[in-house]
Amino acid sequence: DQQVKQNSPSLSVQEGRISILNCDYTNSMFDYFLWYKKYPAEGPTFLISISSIKDKNEDGRFTVFLNKSAKHLSLHIVPSQPGDSAVYFCAAYTNTGNQFYFGTGTSLTVIP
Amino acid sequence: GAGVSQSPSNKVTEKGKDVELRCDPISGHTALYWYRQSLGQGLEFLIYFQGNSAPDKSGLPSDRFSAERTGGSVSTLTIQRTQQEDSAVYLCASSLYWDSNQPQHFGDGTRLSIL
Repeated sequence: DQQVKQNSPSLSVQEGRISILNCDYTNSMFDYFLWYKKYPAEGPTFLISISSIKDKNEDGRFTVFLNKSAKHLSLHIVPSQPGDSAVYFCAAYTNTGNQFYFGTGTSLTVIP
Repeated sequence: GAGVSQSPSNKVTEKGKDVELRCDPISGHTALYWYRQSLGQGLEFLIYFQGNSAPDKSGLPSDRFSAERTGGSVSTLTIQRTQQEDSAVYLCASSLYWDSNQPQHFGDGTRLSIL
């Protein structure tokens, strides 16, 4: 049972525009949400996180929004750059069970 | 380098054999994590260590999987009697301490192929 879902396997965006990556979850008890970026043949790298008690967290060009009522979070990248082209994983964590749950990833291509 | 190191980077073995995967975390990181990424799947969390202790082993896919960590540093993930469905990339990560909001630094993974 996939508790974290990324329904868009791929996304293409023009350089300079906004990239919006979406993630849905089913467990209302998740405590933290994280985004990771992964380049081919490399391990994922941490990007940004948000606590379940917040609705927005911003770090430079990256902003994560959390809508708890909709069980939805999104990652906004603005402006998008060609170096942002990678697979983005959404992850959720619950203190109960001490486990991480990952989505299947969205492949972002930023077109120069 | 100062990053998380995993070995081997690639492993091809016959079904039924045992394999051992190694992870060398960043020096000073007390928490260590193992993940698996199968083709077309998301990252699957397997197990974590806080120091040498693994409080929750329920994420391991079957009793053929075991992991240990000694000296609070290197960890090994062992798969006994490998099956074709074990083919995946096995990723290791470490963080300074166990905290859900701590960024995890990942190695480049071991690509395991079971023939």
